[in-house]
Amino acid sequence: EIVLTQSPATLSLSPGERATLSCRASQNINNYLAWYQQRPGQAPRLLIYDASNRAADIPARFSGSGSGTDFTLTISSLEPEDFAVYYCQQRNIWPPGLTFGGGTKVEIK
Amino acid sequence: QLQLRESGPGLVKPSETLSLTCTVSGASMSGTSYHWGWIRQPPGKGLEWIGTIHNSGNTYYNPSLKSRVTISVDTSKRQFSLKLSSVTAADTAIYYCARRYHYFNYWGQGALVAVSS
Repeated sequence: EIVLTQSPATLSLSPGERATLSCRASQNINNYLAWYQQRPGQAPRLLIYDASNRAADIPARFSGSGSGTDFTLTISSLEPEDFAVYYCQQRNIWPPGLTFGGGTKVEIK
Repeated sequence: QLQLRESGPGLVKPSETLSLTCTVSGASMSGTSYHWGWIRQPPGKGLEWIGTIHNSGNTYYNPSLKSRVTISVDTSKRQFSLKLSSVTAADTAIYYCARRYHYFNYWGQGALVAVSS
């Protein structure tokens, strides 16, 4: 099973600051990685797919990068609605299956 | 706009079977590239993929749950379902249904299921 490790667990920042979130895979997953945002009481929302592509209606301040085993989600300038929990998820072809990372909480400093 | 909604009992007794249904509206289920999935989230914890099903009936399950999970689909009713057998308190969670086109791009609002006697 492919394990995704997210860091840090919590990120304390102020509005307007830049957020950098990391996701590391236990083996090569090419670019088969997505990022989701989950606000309190809501379902997750797809932000980034295939490591670097923004999903529909996602603001340009969200960007993703990486390939292989190391991936990054960057929020260029935090808006109040961006304080939430972020999960990465891989869709490896073989072995087939999906796994999520443990999440990074972005909180207001 | 595609919408998904989970339904089913909010309380299940230990050792019994948890059953949930996801009803799809706003679009057809019949796209050949789509999979329909279940994901759960214990209170205050992270996300766990349970399994997915294609319209063809092909299923893919989380290896850690495979022995207890059955996912089925009925495209004529625009529904897909989850059955999880022999539940324990560790299965208490919010259960989400979602549509997967490589990744989960449409989600239901979630249904809280508690396992308790």
